[in-house]
Amino acid sequence: DSGVTQTPKHLITATGQRVTLRCSPRSGDLSVYWYQQSLDQGLQFLIQYYNGEERAKGNILERFSAQQFPDLHSELNLSSLELGDSALYFCASSPSKGEQFFGPGTRLTVL
Amino acid sequence: EDQVTQSPEALRLQEGESSSLNCSYTVSGLRGLFWYRQDPGKGPEFLFTLYSAGEEKEKERLKATLTKKESFLHITAPKPEDSATYLCAVGSGGSQGNLIFGKGTKLSVKP
Repeated sequence: DSGVTQTPKHLITATGQRVTLRCSPRSGDLSVYWYQQSLDQGLQFLIQYYNGEERAKGNILERFSAQQFPDLHSELNLSSLELGDSALYFCASSPSKGEQFFGPGTRLTVL
Repeated sequence: EDQVTQSPEALRLQEGESSSLNCSYTVSGLRGLFWYRQDPGKGPEFLFTLYSAGEEKEKERLKATLTKKESFLHITAPKPEDSATYLCAVGSGGSQGNLIFGKGTKLSVKP
């Protein structure tokens, strides 16, 4: 158990819908990262927050957004969902720029 | 452009048959090379961090080494429970802390 929690574990929705994924980092970790993992692309970095502020963006679509709250939990919002958005979404946390600890993931299925 | 390449894509071993997994990288200023283990449908589990060429780390049957261009994960006398996908990732000077992942090596160990 890494200490990072993610909810929900599974999410099934339809094209065009909007969903919110939630992540609670390890106690004391200020950085939160979101990654997307699909079968053909591997783990792709989406966005990073540090103590409530956006720090870095990867290949995140404009339909996706995220935020980190004062209690350091983070939410990833995915809107206007498409079939290709079906993937595993992972949250990771770290105290600094070193190793990251991953949560169990949310499996999103868009039908 | 920062890049991580892992080989082979898949590796099948008999129990007790030692082998190595390769991770080659090109980054603008290495800020750590990370090895993770991922079981199907689960989040990556942190194994090792290496920071400088010549560094080695060990954990049970696993040993990670680092050169200026690549890293090896040596698996000595593997057991079926070592079966998993092993991911390599790098942190680079061009990133804020997010990791760039390879596509992984899927290891199967048969009894």
